Amino acid sequence: EAQVTQNPRYLITVTGKKLTVTCSQNMNHEYMSWYRQDPGLGLRQIYYSMNVEVTDKGDVPEGYKVSRKEKRNFPLILESPSPNQTSLYFCASSLWTGQPQHFGDGTRLSIL
Amino acid sequence: AQTVTQSQPEMSVQEAETVTLSCTYDTSESDYYLFWYKQPPSRQMILVIRQEAYKQQNATENRFSVNFQKAAKSFSLKISDSQLGDAAMYFCAYRGETSYDKVIFGPGTSLSVIP
Repeated sequence: EAQVTQNPRYLITVTGKKLTVTCSQNMNHEYMSWYRQDPGLGLRQIYYSMNVEVTDKGDVPEGYKVSRKEKRNFPLILESPSPNQTSLYFCASSLWTGQPQHFGDGTRLSIL
Repeated sequence: AQTVTQSQPEMSVQEAETVTLSCTYDTSESDYYLFWYKQPPSRQMILVIRQEAYKQQNATENRFSVNFQKAAKSFSLKISDSQLGDAAMYFCAYRGETSYDKVIFGPGTSLSVIP
């Protein structure tokens, strides 16, 4: 079954404590991306990757890092989380560059 | 910069009726793609329909169809024979040919289906 697996689904943590949200896809897609969803703003792109070792900033990259060491995995790293990063996060992958097709189930992140 | 606007934060429809969700966008590009995504209460994001700007024919997927008006920069979604399972947040999105590596989402429209 085609799948994007994102973990964890929920996380409550404190300011400054490094965290990683994992994302893995089993469709051999080259394009992967991360979004955050906030009420009234829709989804905003954080980072994207067009292939292994190729990543680039989206519209709201501040405070986030990513890596793409393998095609299937695209983790999102918050080195020093702050309360304004409290949000719902989605990872997505696609056959087509820039057109998210398959999404993970989302990660609800709360930073106190 | 491209923008996507959805002017209806909330809408409702009677079961079995038809509803149209509005979306307008601003761009100077001539080639681009437009999308509608559905997000039910389970929060899973689902790609509903995709339209290439160079195609004059409106895309259709079962009960979902679009009315693409390129000159007016309008891209509305029509849901026919609405079902309870159509209740969701709907997002319109744009991807340009120049900015081919990213998609821009609108703020969303919350659709309720009344039994």
